[in-house]
Amino acid sequence: GENVEQHPSTLSVQEGDSAVIKCTYSDSASNYFPWYKQELGKRPQLIIDIRSNVGEKKDQRIAVTLNKTAKHFSLHITETQPEDSAVYFCAATGRDDKIIFGKGTRLHILP
Amino acid sequence: GAVVSQHPSWVICKSGTSVKIECRSLDFQATTMFWYRQFPKQSLMLMATSNEGSKATYEQGVEKDKFLINHASLTLSTLTVTSAHPEDSSFYICSARNGRASNTGELFFGEGSRLTVL
Repeated sequence: GENVEQHPSTLSVQEGDSAVIKCTYSDSASNYFPWYKQELGKRPQLIIDIRSNVGEKKDQRIAVTLNKTAKHFSLHITETQPEDSAVYFCAATGRDDKIIFGKGTRLHILP
Repeated sequence: GAVVSQHPSWVICKSGTSVKIECRSLDFQATTMFWYRQFPKQSLMLMATSNEGSKATYEQGVEKDKFLINHASLTLSTLTVTSAHPEDSSFYICSARNGRASNTGELFFGEGSRLTVL
């Protein structure tokens, strides 16, 4: 089945700087890659997603890139703000249609 | 967006008892729901896929007799933790896709249920 690796596990960036989180996946048939943000004690919330027929997608300060050949995708957050502090999970949908999550990245925005 | 509601949000039980968690899709029909388990500071681990009208599909290492899943209607799936033990204490989250969306559509999560077994 699908295996998703996510790095780094923890990331601290100065407020206003950019943050980048990277993920790789194993199943070449995967075609949907969502990113979720989870605040402490709350449910995960979708922040952006990308499908395999697109290489890049942007939504205001958030962007995601996908390299199907290399089987990796990345989340980019620009002009980070305190409210961006949370745990971020990447995920991939394998050929069996299950969404498998990476281990998460704890993002700290430093004042 | 679509709404998934989960109940209870918090439950404490004695070791050996069973606990049922409900997951409802409020404004859409979900032929498939997914149950995840999340330990503190860890990722969401898929436990099983709940299919309406048929048996659930369990991930490797998940005991189907321990975690009973029933998906009796297009809007309700239940997870029953049987004979709970302290090691079953965790955050359980259900999720569902809007049935009208493609199979690779957005996954909507319930609020989660925090189970503590004494």
